[in-house]
Amino acid sequence: AQKITQTQPGMFVQEKEAVTLDCTYDTSDQSYGLFWYKQPSSGEMIFLIYQGSYDEQNATEGRYSLNFQKARKSANLVISASQLGDSAMYFCAMREPFGGGYNKLIFGAGTRLAVHP
Amino acid sequence: SQTIHQWPATLVQPVGSPLSLECTVEGTSNPNLYWYRQAAGRGLQLLFYSVGIGQISSEVPQNLSASRPQDRQFILSSKKLLLSDSGFYLCAWSLGGPYEQYFGPGTRLTVT
Repeated sequence: AQKITQTQPGMFVQEKEAVTLDCTYDTSDQSYGLFWYKQPSSGEMIFLIYQGSYDEQNATEGRYSLNFQKARKSANLVISASQLGDSAMYFCAMREPFGGGYNKLIFGAGTRLAVHP
Repeated sequence: SQTIHQWPATLVQPVGSPLSLECTVEGTSNPNLYWYRQAAGRGLQLLFYSVGIGQISSEVPQNLSASRPQDRQFILSSKKLLLSDSGFYLCAWSLGGPYEQYFGPGTRLTVT
């Protein structure tokens, strides 16, 4: 069965520093996708970044980058130049193989990031 | 641009009462729609998904049900709520295919 593991329940970082949030996954499929979402205290889930299993380069979106190490089955999120507004829960998710016309995501337990001034 | 709405934002209901949560999407056609539940301090659990009107698939057997009466409307219902139904309910949409999902603002349900 597919599984997402986020081993850091909480992390803190100083403003303007970089931080890495860990995510490991378990799957026997060759085709899959990995996502990171941010959930601020308001509750809504905000899509940050996506990495496909066949993508050769690490995904980047502004201050977010995904450190994809396929052999180690890890997909860590790197946030550069942290801002106070980055304080939130962060969830790693994996897409099950595409089929049947839908896109099923499996989520990890999340990491709470606190950015200190 | 696409937007997704959920209501109500918060709800307090007694055990045994019915439930109806609504989700609507604007700015896209024939989206895939999803209902998730998030228990306090936990990740998201997929409850239902739909690839079209009247097409509902259930991931977790329970006393909840879902319906899709219109292309961009997704409803989560229950005839009799349980205490364990308390949580944060999130609706999401995606295009058909291996694309990211976009979430609504959520409904916080407390069953007393």
